[in-house]
Amino acid sequence: GAGVSQSPSNKVTEKGKDVELRCDPISGHTALYWYRQSLGQGLEFLIYFQGNSAPDKSGLPSDRFSAERTGGSVSTLTIQRTQQEDSAVYLCASSQGRFSGNTIYFGEGSWLTVV
Amino acid sequence: EDQVTQSPEALRLQEGESSSLNCSYTVSGLRGLFWYRQDPGKGPEFLFTLYSAGEEKEKERLKATLTKKESFLHITAPKPEDSATYLCAVQIQAGTALIFGKGTTLSVSS
Repeated sequence: GAGVSQSPSNKVTEKGKDVELRCDPISGHTALYWYRQSLGQGLEFLIYFQGNSAPDKSGLPSDRFSAERTGGSVSTLTIQRTQQEDSAVYLCASSQGRFSGNTIYFGEGSWLTVV
Repeated sequence: EDQVTQSPEALRLQEGESSSLNCSYTVSGLRGLFWYRQDPGKGPEFLFTLYSAGEEKEKERLKATLTKKESFLHITAPKPEDSATYLCAVQIQAGTALIFGKGTTLSVSS
């Protein structure tokens, strides 16, 4: 597709379960970002991938959160042992890369509810 | 600490009533300042990038300007379809994550 694609669009999970959220960036974009947006809050940076470089994980809130990016394209954000405070919209974004244009485009988000 | 502050938090306008949204920033460096529009239940939609003080960009009824300390998003003769949350973000260095403000929620009534 033409834009950043995220799945699932909505996920309801029980506290303590693991969840995986998927992001398919715009074709050709080497940079990929994950953000979290809680109700009434701004966007909180989680993790950033750029090409084959080691990811910037400085925004991950705890070791229950992890992300990987396979083949420089699709990314999966995994939350283990989910807690109610993990309920939020998880937004993925991509851009062309570090030096070749930095307009960052967002997907529609994955709405996570932990009950 | 790098910080982005947007004001007001919420703004109600009548159709045709022009106004401005403010984004002030305190950062160690500025690679670019971004404006996004976010509709309820949707991801942020890119509007503008500004790179240096004095720069201006326009799109339909929106005009973004940048100084060394802040950016303004001017909305001229708004329409109800301009109702949304407007997000401002800064990028400190190329290839780093954007730092977002909390946004201004604009409501335009006819």
